[in-house]
Amino acid sequence: EVQVVESGGGLVQPGGSLRLSCAASGFTFSSYWMSWVRQAPGKGLEWVANIKQDESEKYYVDSVRGRFTISRDNAENSLYLQMNSLRAEDTAMYYCARGRGWLDSWGQGTLVTVSS
Amino acid sequence: EIVLTQSPGTLSLSPGERATLSCRASQSVSRNYLAWYRQKPGQAPSLLIHSASSRAAGIPDRFSGSGSGTDFTLTISRLEPEDFAVYYCQQYGTSPLTFGGGTKVEIK
Repeated sequence: EVQVVESGGGLVQPGGSLRLSCAASGFTFSSYWMSWVRQAPGKGLEWVANIKQDESEKYYVDSVRGRFTISRDNAENSLYLQMNSLRAEDTAMYYCARGRGWLDSWGQGTLVTVSS
Repeated sequence: EIVLTQSPGTLSLSPGERATLSCRASQSVSRNYLAWYRQKPGQAPSLLIHSASSRAAGIPDRFSGSGSGTDFTLTISRLEPEDFAVYYCQQYGTSPLTFGGGTKVEIK
């Protein structure tokens, strides 16, 4: 069974940092692009970033470029999102998802709250 | 970026009825690279349709997608209890990937 499980969310002050992790299982992780998508409380979905199988290509939404870094460890079947200089508007549920275009498997998400 | 506008915002229907959801793009979606997702309350989204009209693995045939260019439609032929949820369209033909604002299908 394909499964992705996020972790690492929590409460952080504005300007702070957080690193999200996503553990993948049930598929050949190294063969897939992976993505992060977020959803602010009560709002819609926003794509955040994605990464190619070998990390040679990484793409970000404008609002996080320069502050967030996506990475992966294929040996550990893990995806990461390093989030720096966090702002109140980054408060959201962060989902890890398999794919580059359509996203066919999603985790349950990890909640990030940016507040003083 | 491509802006996706979904309508209506809310659809009030009864179980067994047909639902028709619209997604309009601000410019043509390259190669009709459009997907639909269902998000049940308190859950993550799940893929229903990709490439405008291809059902994802395990998705029942009551779900169908159609359209091209800038106008796309998701049709649910007969609503089941689990279909009362929020639906999102997403384009992946042009970076950045973008989602529509969602249509909520509620029980009438």
